[in-house]
Formats: sequence, C-alpha cells, structure tokens
Amino acid sequence: KAGVTQTPRYLIKTRGQQVTLSCSPISGHRSVSWYQQTPGQGLQFLFEYFSETQRNKGNFPGRFSGRQFSNSRSEMNVSTLELGDSALYLCASSPLGGGATGELFFGEGSRLTVL
Amino acid sequence: QQPVQSPQAVILREGEDAVINCSSSKALYSVHWYRQKHGEAPVFLMILLKGGEQKGHEKISASFNEKKQQSSLYLTASQLSYSGTYFCGTVPLGNTGKLIFGQGTTLQVKP
Repeated sequence: KAGVTQTPRYLIKTRGQQVTLSCSPISGHRSVSWYQQTPGQGLQFLFEYFSETQRNKGNFPGRFSGRQFSNSRSEMNVSTLELGDSALYLCASSPLGGGATGELFFGEGSRLTVL
Repeated sequence: QQPVQSPQAVILREGEDAVINCSSSKALYSVHWYRQKHGEAPVFLMILLKGGEQKGHEKISASFNEKKQQSSLYLTASQLSYSGTYFCGTVPLGNTGKLIFGQGTTLQVKP
C-alpha cells in the first residue's frame, strides 16, 4: 500500500514569489492535514481537509491556503513568500477524521527555502 | 493552545528509563504520541482516548490524566533506536479533526 506522497521534496524560492505544494494521501483516506515544521517550533497546524471541505484552520495568515480535490489529493499554496516561511511542510492523511480517529500517516515533507 | 512538553531534551544511556510529559490547558478528547527520527517523517506511537482506552506500542507506554489534561510517555530500558524527537499531540473536545502538537522532546540514547 503506497504511503503519503508529497511533491516537490525540495524547492527554493525568493521573497515575494508564491509556491504550491502537493500531497497524495493513502488510498481510501479522506482527511488530509498540513503542518509546518521549523526548528524550535515543532509541528504547527496549518489546516485540515475532509471530503473537499476545510474543517479546521490553524493560526496562519491568509497567505497560506489549501484545497482538496475529489480524489482526496490536496494542495497548499503560500503567496508572497517571506523568509520566515522557510520550513518543512508536512502532509498527513487519515481514514476518517483528523487526529481523533487514530493514527496520522505522514509524508516525508516538502522542504521550502525562501531566499 | 499548543500543548507544553517537558523536558525539552533528554540524554540517556542504553537501558535507562525516561519520562516525557505533555500538558494542555484545554479539555481533551485524546492525546497522541509520535516519534520523528532525523530526516524522516513522524511516526505514530500511540493514542490515549478520553475514557481510558489506550493503544500502545511495544515497550513504550503512556498515561492520560483527563482531569488534569496531562499525559506522560514512559520509555523503559531504552534502546539506541529510541533516539529521536517525541511529539505529543492533543485533540480538543468538540473539535476532533484538529491535532495540535507540542514543541517536541529530543531524546538521545547513547551506548
């Protein structure tokens, strides 16, 4: 059974640009959550999608957005990039609903560097 | 809203025990524990549900005090493979789709 796949794995952008990251969840999983990981801050919750609807949102500015498609694949977008957006962005999928129902399965992440 | 973990870092010798604590200011539905090794994705260890149900991992156990919104992860007879960063995640009552992680505890096990 294939795991969670994130693309691209690495990318470099400059300030002011925008970026789109993609996440393909495990087949059959309907919930996708996104996290930002930086040294010292741990895993910061961005948002959670379930059946194409954003159910939960973290405390990030509106520059961070996402969506989920009918096949459960998800994308997140960051516009007007800032240096502080440099981070590892992790996607996690689960069969039903976010963290409540049990295990989250994480992808290996997309590492974004903003210059 | 983010749970608070302590200690921030632990260094052990093989065979020693460790306890990692997680505390939340909100009423909780469940507590999760994950381990992340350097350069890898976080991996699920266990979940503790309100009401006392626990799902465990071999040789690692945990407790959940619902009244205090606190959880502790117990690693006994540590092995080199236990090294990594441990994250607790909390799911608040009434919003079961939102898993919020603490800042992590770095555990290093030395021979």
